[in-house]
Amino acid sequence: DAKTTQPPSMDCAEGRAANLPCNHSTISGNEYVYWYRQIHSQGPQYIIHGLKNNETNEMASLIITEDRKSSTLILPHATLRDTAVYYCIVRVKNSGGSNYKLTFGKGTLLTVNP
Amino acid sequence: DSGVTQTPKHLITATGQRVTLRCSPRSGDLSVYWYQQSLDQGLQFLIQYYNGEERAKGNILERFSAQQFPDLHSELNLSSLELGDSALYFCASSVALGDEQFFGPGTRLTVL
Repeated sequence: DAKTTQPPSMDCAEGRAANLPCNHSTISGNEYVYWYRQIHSQGPQYIIHGLKNNETNEMASLIITEDRKSSTLILPHATLRDTAVYYCIVRVKNSGGSNYKLTFGKGTLLTVNP
Repeated sequence: DSGVTQTPKHLITATGQRVTLRCSPRSGDLSVYWYQQSLDQGLQFLIQYYNGEERAKGNILERFSAQQFPDLHSELNLSSLELGDSALYFCASSVALGDEQFFGPGTRLTVL
């Protein structure tokens, strides 16, 4: 699995958009970008994933650069409940292989301030 | 609520003991994964199952074992417990291998 690089921490004002960057310069053509978050000691929560097109769901938007070497997770209107560690993970999806583990790095601690 | 359930929520035991952690996947999910989260190691993959069969192992100690039963629930057995085994243990499930994984609330194990 490709390695990802994320800033260790970020701050955001409540109600503003939170833009969390992730670098994955060694990503392979069949690897997807996944985002998860973990609110203190709770189970990680799936947010969104994508291959090369931008994706949006009810939680967030995922913007992937054309060369796929970096991506940005956007929380459009951050709330205090969005304070969490956000993990960017790259991984193959359904390749016929056997190991589909998620490799978690240190992630970005997003603190949403009132 | 992810739909994945784990029991117990908390477990306190002594060194040398054996414990069993239980996980029920989301309805319809065939794949189960176990992860360990400790303060110094972060979230680490332990093992994965698909429809009752072990499919991949990660950094799982020989003292640890797991299985997935015909009703698709899974159990993680930890034996000869050491202080360093104190951690959060998460179970995740997905419809099939490679799909998005949904995590349970975890079991906090404390070994005294």
